[in-house]
Amino acid sequence: GAGVSQSPRYKVAKRGQDVALRCDPISGHVSLFWYQQALGQGPEFLTYFQNEAQLDKSGLPSDRFFAERPEGSVSTLKIQRTQQEDSAVYLCASSLGRRSYEQYFGPGTRLTVT
Amino acid sequence: AQSVTQPDIHITVSEGASLELRCNYSYGATPYLFWYVQSPGQGLQLLLKYFSGDTLVQGIKGFEAEFKRSQSSFNLRKPSVHWSDAAEYFCAVLLSGGGADGLTFGKGTHLIIQP
Repeated sequence: GAGVSQSPRYKVAKRGQDVALRCDPISGHVSLFWYQQALGQGPEFLTYFQNEAQLDKSGLPSDRFFAERPEGSVSTLKIQRTQQEDSAVYLCASSLGRRSYEQYFGPGTRLTVT
Repeated sequence: AQSVTQPDIHITVSEGASLELRCNYSYGATPYLFWYVQSPGQGLQLLLKYFSGDTLVQGIKGFEAEFKRSQSSFNLRKPSVHWSDAAEYFCAVLLSGGGADGLTFGKGTHLIIQP
Protein backbone atom coordinates (compact mmCIF):
# COMPACT_ATOMS: atom_id res chain seq x y z
CA GLY A 1 0.00 0.00 0.00
CA ALA A 2 0.94 3.62 -0.26
CA GLY A 3 1.06 4.33 3.45
CA VAL A 4 0.98 2.84 6.92
CA SER A 5 -2.33 1.16 7.67
CA GLN A 6 -3.78 0.19 11.03
CA SER A 7 -6.71 -1.96 12.03
CA PRO A 8 -9.17 -1.77 13.54
CA ARG A 9 -9.64 1.99 13.41
CA TYR A 10 -11.87 1.88 16.47
CA LYS A 11 -12.03 -0.67 19.26
CA VAL A 12 -14.26 -0.75 22.30
CA ALA A 13 -13.26 -3.20 25.01
CA LYS A 14 -14.69 -3.99 28.38
CA ARG A 15 -12.28 -3.62 31.25
CA GLY A 16 -10.33 -6.81 31.67
CA GLN A 17 -10.54 -7.91 28.03
CA ASP A 18 -7.49 -8.49 25.87
CA VAL A 19 -7.10 -6.53 22.63
CA ALA A 20 -4.82 -6.81 19.60
CA LEU A 21 -4.02 -3.88 17.35
CA ARG A 22 -2.46 -4.39 13.94
CA CYS A 23 -0.04 -2.27 11.96
CA ASP A 24 0.97 -2.71 8.31
CA PRO A 25 4.04 -0.55 7.64
CA ILE A 26 5.11 0.83 4.30
CA SER A 27 6.57 -1.97 2.22
CA GLY A 28 10.34 -2.17 2.63
CA HIS A 29 10.49 -0.07 5.78
CA VAL A 30 12.86 -1.62 8.26
CA SER A 31 11.89 0.34 11.34
CA LEU A 32 8.53 0.29 13.05
CA PHE A 33 7.37 2.33 16.05
CA TRP A 34 4.34 2.31 18.32
CA TYR A 35 3.09 5.40 20.13
CA GLN A 36 0.25 6.04 22.55
CA GLN A 37 -1.67 9.31 22.32
CA ALA A 38 -3.98 10.16 25.20
CA LEU A 39 -6.75 12.69 24.65
CA GLY A 40 -5.38 16.20 24.35
CA GLN A 41 -1.75 15.06 24.54
CA GLY A 42 1.10 14.48 22.17
CA PRO A 43 2.04 10.93 21.20
CA GLU A 44 4.30 9.05 23.59
CA PHE A 45 6.77 6.45 22.44
CA LEU A 46 6.02 2.85 23.38
CA THR A 47 8.35 0.54 21.49
CA TYR A 48 10.58 0.18 18.43
CA PHE A 49 11.42 -2.67 16.04
CA GLN A 50 14.18 -3.01 13.54
CA ASN A 51 13.01 -5.79 11.27
CA GLU A 52 11.78 -8.49 13.66
CA ALA A 53 13.97 -7.41 16.56
CA GLN A 54 12.42 -5.35 19.31
CA LEU A 55 15.29 -3.02 20.14
CA ASP A 56 13.57 -0.64 22.51
CA LYS A 57 10.53 -1.24 24.69
CA SER A 58 11.30 1.36 27.28
CA GLY A 59 7.98 3.17 26.76
CA LEU A 60 5.64 0.25 27.40
CA PRO A 61 3.67 1.33 30.49
CA SER A 62 3.28 -2.09 32.07
CA ASP A 63 3.82 -5.78 31.47
CA ARG A 64 0.26 -5.94 30.19
CA PHE A 65 1.54 -4.40 26.96
CA PHE A 66 3.26 -6.65 24.48
CA ALA A 67 4.33 -6.04 20.88
CA GLU A 68 5.64 -8.34 18.19
CA ARG A 69 6.76 -8.26 14.60
CA PRO A 70 7.61 -11.88 13.88
CA GLU A 71 8.41 -11.64 10.16
CA GLY A 72 9.74 -8.12 10.11
CA SER A 73 6.73 -6.56 8.43
CA VAL A 74 3.29 -6.54 10.11
CA SER A 75 3.29 -5.74 13.81
CA THR A 76 0.75 -6.39 16.53
CA LEU A 77 0.40 -4.51 19.79
CA LYS A 78 -1.40 -6.55 22.39
CA ILE A 79 -2.86 -5.25 25.62
CA GLN A 80 -3.89 -7.76 28.20
CA ARG A 81 -6.52 -7.18 30.90
CA THR A 82 -7.32 -3.70 29.60
CA GLN A 83 -7.85 -0.89 32.09
CA GLN A 84 -9.65 2.42 31.64
CA GLU A 85 -6.34 4.27 31.61
CA ASP A 86 -5.42 2.33 28.45
CA SER A 87 -8.04 4.33 26.52
CA ALA A 88 -6.09 6.27 23.90
CA VAL A 89 -5.20 6.39 20.24
CA TYR A 90 -2.43 3.97 19.35
CA LEU A 91 -0.29 5.16 16.48
CA CYS A 92 2.07 3.11 14.39
CA ALA A 93 4.88 4.61 12.34
CA SER A 94 7.50 3.20 10.02
CA SER A 95 10.73 4.47 8.54
CA LEU A 96 13.16 3.28 5.93
CA GLY A 97 15.97 2.55 8.36
CA ARG A 98 16.89 2.86 11.96
CA ARG A 99 18.35 6.32 11.68
CA SER A 100 16.33 7.45 8.71
CA TYR A 101 14.60 9.77 11.17
CA GLU A 102 11.60 10.48 8.95
CA GLN A 103 8.74 8.45 10.41
CA TYR A 104 5.51 7.94 8.50
CA PHE A 105 2.43 7.54 10.65
CA GLY A 106 -0.71 5.50 10.24
CA PRO A 107 -4.19 6.82 11.08
CA GLY A 108 -4.20 5.17 14.48
CA THR A 109 -6.52 2.89 16.40
CA ARG A 110 -8.79 4.57 18.93
CA LEU A 111 -9.20 2.24 21.91
CA THR A 112 -11.97 2.90 24.40
CA VAL A 113 -12.09 0.78 27.54
CA THR A 114 -15.44 0.80 29.31
CA ALA B 1 15.84 13.73 29.76
CA GLN B 2 14.86 15.56 26.66
CA SER B 3 11.59 17.47 26.63
CA VAL B 4 9.58 19.60 24.24
CA THR B 5 7.43 22.56 25.23
CA GLN B 6 4.72 24.07 23.12
CA PRO B 7 3.55 26.97 25.26
CA ASP B 8 0.38 27.72 23.32
CA ILE B 9 -2.43 25.18 23.71
CA HIS B 10 -4.74 27.05 21.34
CA ILE B 11 -4.08 29.74 18.76
CA THR B 12 -6.72 31.57 16.71
CA VAL B 13 -5.69 33.27 13.49
CA SER B 14 -7.73 34.98 10.80
CA GLU B 15 -7.58 33.48 7.34
CA GLY B 16 -4.86 35.18 5.34
CA ALA B 17 -2.96 36.32 8.41
CA SER B 18 0.53 35.15 9.33
CA LEU B 19 1.18 32.38 11.83
CA GLU B 20 3.91 31.47 14.28
CA LEU B 21 3.75 28.41 16.52
CA ARG B 22 6.33 28.19 19.26
CA CYS B 23 8.43 25.20 20.23
CA ASN B 24 11.22 25.00 22.79
CA TYR B 25 13.27 21.93 23.58
CA SER B 26 15.43 20.91 26.48
CA TYR B 27 18.44 18.87 25.52
CA GLY B 28 22.19 19.20 25.98
CA ALA B 29 23.11 18.92 22.32
CA THR B 30 21.28 19.81 19.15
CA PRO B 31 18.59 17.23 18.58
CA TYR B 32 16.89 16.43 15.34
CA LEU B 33 13.76 18.56 15.16
CA PHE B 34 10.42 17.98 13.47
CA TRP B 35 7.01 19.55 13.02
CA TYR B 36 4.01 17.32 12.39
CA VAL B 37 0.38 18.20 11.66
CA GLN B 38 -2.60 16.10 12.69
CA SER B 39 -6.08 16.62 11.29
CA PRO B 40 -9.10 15.10 13.07
CA GLY B 41 -9.15 11.34 12.66
CA GLN B 42 -5.90 11.37 10.73
CA GLY B 43 -2.41 10.26 11.48
CA LEU B 44 0.51 12.61 11.78
CA GLN B 45 1.93 14.18 8.64
CA LEU B 46 5.48 15.50 8.58
CA LEU B 47 5.66 19.19 7.67
CA LEU B 48 9.40 19.69 7.91
CA LYS B 49 12.56 18.61 9.70
CA TYR B 50 15.92 19.99 10.79
CA PHE B 51 19.04 17.92 11.20
CA SER B 52 21.90 20.35 10.53
CA GLY B 53 23.01 23.11 8.18
CA ASP B 54 20.85 26.04 7.20
CA THR B 55 18.79 27.01 10.23
CA LEU B 56 15.79 28.07 8.14
CA VAL B 57 14.04 25.03 6.70
CA GLN B 58 11.22 24.91 4.22
CA GLY B 59 8.46 22.36 4.39
CA ILE B 60 5.28 21.34 2.69
CA LYS B 61 2.11 23.43 2.45
CA GLY B 62 4.04 26.70 2.61
CA PHE B 63 5.39 26.19 6.12
CA GLU B 64 8.87 27.04 7.30
CA ALA B 65 10.69 26.80 10.63
CA GLU B 66 13.77 28.42 12.07
CA PHE B 67 16.18 26.73 14.45
CA LYS B 68 17.68 29.09 17.02
CA ARG B 69 20.30 27.38 19.12
CA SER B 70 20.67 30.27 21.56
CA GLN B 71 16.98 30.09 22.39
CA SER B 72 16.58 26.32 22.09
CA SER B 73 13.66 27.03 19.81
CA PHE B 74 12.26 25.71 16.54
CA ASN B 75 9.27 27.89 15.74
CA LEU B 76 6.95 27.13 12.86
CA ARG B 77 5.78 29.92 10.57
CA LYS B 78 3.49 30.50 7.65
CA PRO B 79 3.03 33.89 5.97
CA SER B 80 -0.65 33.45 5.10
CA VAL B 81 -2.88 30.76 6.58
CA HIS B 82 -5.73 29.02 4.81
CA TRP B 83 -8.86 27.55 6.39
CA SER B 84 -7.50 24.08 5.60
CA ASP B 85 -4.58 24.70 7.98
CA ALA B 86 -6.89 24.28 10.97
CA ALA B 87 -5.47 21.24 12.79
CA GLU B 88 -3.28 20.15 15.70
CA TYR B 89 0.43 20.85 15.34
CA PHE B 90 3.13 18.93 17.14
CA CYS B 91 6.80 19.70 17.57
CA ALA B 92 9.04 16.68 18.14
CA VAL B 93 12.68 15.91 18.84
CA LEU B 94 14.95 12.93 18.41
CA LEU B 95 18.27 12.44 20.15
CA SER B 96 20.99 12.98 17.60
CA GLY B 97 23.60 10.82 19.25
CA GLY B 98 21.75 7.56 19.41
CA GLY B 99 20.05 6.47 22.55
CA ALA B 100 16.28 6.65 22.44
CA ASP B 101 14.83 5.67 19.11
CA GLY B 102 11.41 7.19 19.43
CA LEU B 103 10.37 10.77 18.93
CA THR B 104 9.57 12.95 21.94
CA PHE B 105 6.57 15.14 21.21
CA GLY B 106 5.23 18.32 22.70
CA LYS B 107 1.62 18.47 23.84
CA GLY B 108 0.52 20.18 20.66
CA THR B 109 -1.00 23.49 19.60
CA HIS B 110 -4.56 23.56 18.32
CA LEU B 111 -4.85 26.02 15.45
CA ILE B 112 -8.21 27.63 14.79
CA ILE B 113 -8.77 29.67 11.64
CA GLN B 114 -11.30 32.46 11.71
CA PRO B 115 -13.00 33.41 8.42
